[in-house]
Amino acid sequence: AQSVAQPEDQVNVAEGNPLTVKCTYSVSGNPYLFWYVQYPNRGLQFLLKYITGDNLVKGSYGFEAEFNKSQTSFHLKKPSALVSDSALYFCAVRDASGGYQKVTFGTGTKLQVIP
Amino acid sequence: NAGVMQNPRHLVRRRGQEARLRCSPMKGHSHVYWYRQLPEEGLKFMVYLQKENIIDESGMPKERFSAEFPKEGPSILRIQQVVRGDSAAYFCASSPPGTGSLYEQYFGPGTRLTVT
Repeated sequence: AQSVAQPEDQVNVAEGNPLTVKCTYSVSGNPYLFWYVQYPNRGLQFLLKYITGDNLVKGSYGFEAEFNKSQTSFHLKKPSALVSDSALYFCAVRDASGGYQKVTFGTGTKLQVIP
Repeated sequence: NAGVMQNPRHLVRRRGQEARLRCSPMKGHSHVYWYRQLPEEGLKFMVYLQKENIIDESGMPKERFSAEFPKEGPSILRIQQVVRGDSAAYFCASSPPGTGSLYEQYFGPGTRLTVT
């Protein structure tokens, strides 16, 4: 069975500092990986995905994530945090095997950017 | 291009009543997913549907919950005889046809169900 772990319930970072939100995964085959962001009382918004190719993926709002197969990780990063980045972040994974594969979401990490 | 629409945004039901949650996917999308989000918990998959077909309902409770996505009209998540434990935010997402979950999912704003 596939799974996603977001080991930090909350991450605090000062505005202007780099931020990292951690994600590790487990699938039987190769993974497809996604990051989403949720603002209060809103639905999830897609940020970026890794399907194949370059391990460093760039997404919306200046976010990027690095796929590390040996460490089974897909950490979300941004060089300089903004107060407006404060939100709930979800990592998700599905097995890259053909046909239908369910997407599994992590439990979320609350990012708090301190002015 | 309108996004995923869900209505109502807020729904209050008394215990024992029925709740009907509606979801209209993005234009051109034929895959619909329903999720439940409880406070302090993550997003829990409930069901995945295509037009007139339930593809995966492994996350649906065995009783009281049902979902459909008819040929015409929105997808409906139906909860019969609601209990307080059903209080949660219910999100619908859609994705384009083809290799369904290869693509990112587009989420609606959610329906917040409160059972009193």
